[in-house]
Amino acid sequence: QPVLTQPPSSSASPGESARLTCTLPSDINVGSYNIYWYQQKPGSPPRYLLYYYSDSDKGQGSGVPSRFSGSKDASANTGILLISGLQSEDEADYYCMIWPSNAVVFGGGTKLTVL
Amino acid sequence: QVQLVESGGGVVQPGGSLRLSCAASGFTFSSYGMHWVRQAPGKGLEWVAFIRYDGSNKYYADSVKGRFTISRDNSKNTLYLQMNSLRAEDTAVYYCAKDLGPPFAIWGQGTMVTVSS
Repeated sequence: QPVLTQPPSSSASPGESARLTCTLPSDINVGSYNIYWYQQKPGSPPRYLLYYYSDSDKGQGSGVPSRFSGSKDASANTGILLISGLQSEDEADYYCMIWPSNAVVFGGGTKLTVL
Repeated sequence: QVQLVESGGGVVQPGGSLRLSCAASGFTFSSYGMHWVRQAPGKGLEWVAFIRYDGSNKYYADSVKGRFTISRDNSKNTLYLQMNSLRAEDTAVYYCAKDLGPPFAIWGQGTMVTVSS
């Protein structure tokens, strides 16, 4: 089963933007898949944030602020979660996910610290 | 409201067995595929298994293939995970999650499984 690579940690200050990445293996084309993003805070199950396929095919989770958005960098074979106007409550672990065929794959997660 | 409630976790010795249950409510359970996902203490999410809405197809992570069995009873709105030949590395919180609408938008609170002698 493939591996999605996420940086273990990231940090930014309140009001700034955070750009979290999810790199797919070279044999899986990011352009062919929905990239899903989830947020998890300690002691709670993950929360669905959004999915991104293209600018014309994307979706926001119920109640998820618009300052959370997705994109792709095809040249880097990477999915991106952008969080703008960071707030202290955004401090959490973030996971990406794809579902290539008969197996779901989660990234290893990025711990976002809001300084 | 849409709800998933896991049960059946506990402490089991290596090589032992355990059956987890996930009771669903607030949606038409028989219309949706369902997943099990686990999270070892301090670690990330690991997908475990998926079952189609009618039970016709089941998929497993390589790490549990041949040891775990996912099943469902649509008449009882309940998802199951039979876990055999348990190992220390199976120690985790086990979550059930609803597929589609979108995938993993609905999670249970999880049930803890500890494999230890």
